[in-house]
Amino acid sequence: AQSVTQLDSHVSVSEGTPVLLRCNYSSSYSPSLFWYVQHPNKGLQLLLKYTSAATLVKGINGFEAEFKKSETSFHLTKPSAHMSDAAEYFCVVSVSPAGFQKLVFGTGTRLLVSP
Amino acid sequence: TAGITQAPTSQILAAGRSMTLRCTQDMRHNAMYWYRQDLGLGLRLIHYSNTAGTTGKGEVPDGYSVSRANTDDFPLTLASAVPSQTSVYFCASSDAPIAGSSYNEQFFGPGTRLTVL
Repeated sequence: AQSVTQLDSHVSVSEGTPVLLRCNYSSSYSPSLFWYVQHPNKGLQLLLKYTSAATLVKGINGFEAEFKKSETSFHLTKPSAHMSDAAEYFCVVSVSPAGFQKLVFGTGTRLLVSP
Repeated sequence: TAGITQAPTSQILAAGRSMTLRCTQDMRHNAMYWYRQDLGLGLRLIHYSNTAGTTGKGEVPDGYSVSRANTDDFPLTLASAVPSQTSVYFCASSDAPIAGSSYNEQFFGPGTRLTVL
């Protein structure tokens, strides 16, 4: 079975300070891992994905994530937060067990950025 | 390029009524998906379709049906709506998964906010 745990429901940072959104996963298969972002009243947009090519993955808007198999973690980071980063972030495990792609979503982390 | 369009944007529906949520994509993706998003639960898969003419059940399929008559359209039907189906519904599409691979990006529409009273 696959599952995703996002360790914080809310994270608050000041503009210009680092961002850390934590994610742990469990999967019976060799998973792909994604981070999606959802701005208010919008659909989801892919930030980055891990597909076993490299453990440190760089995404859009300065975000990156590191896959650590020993810790079953895929934490999302950004060196310096911007006001426009305020949104909901979802960590996602993707597997293909029976001929279709199954995405298992975490419950989300809301990032709040203050001036 | 429009990507994925969904209609309506929002709807209030009386319990017991039927409704079809529409989804159209212009990316020629073979695979399409319907999710519902509920507070504190993330997104959950309702139904999926790997190619035109085929559909499959996801995690929470009860009370919903889908059809896939062509590549572009993937409507979701609620035959007799109940209040627990109040949610935000997202349609998504991707290249068809190759057996054993799981890395395709799914592209999401803007969502339909449905309230069942």
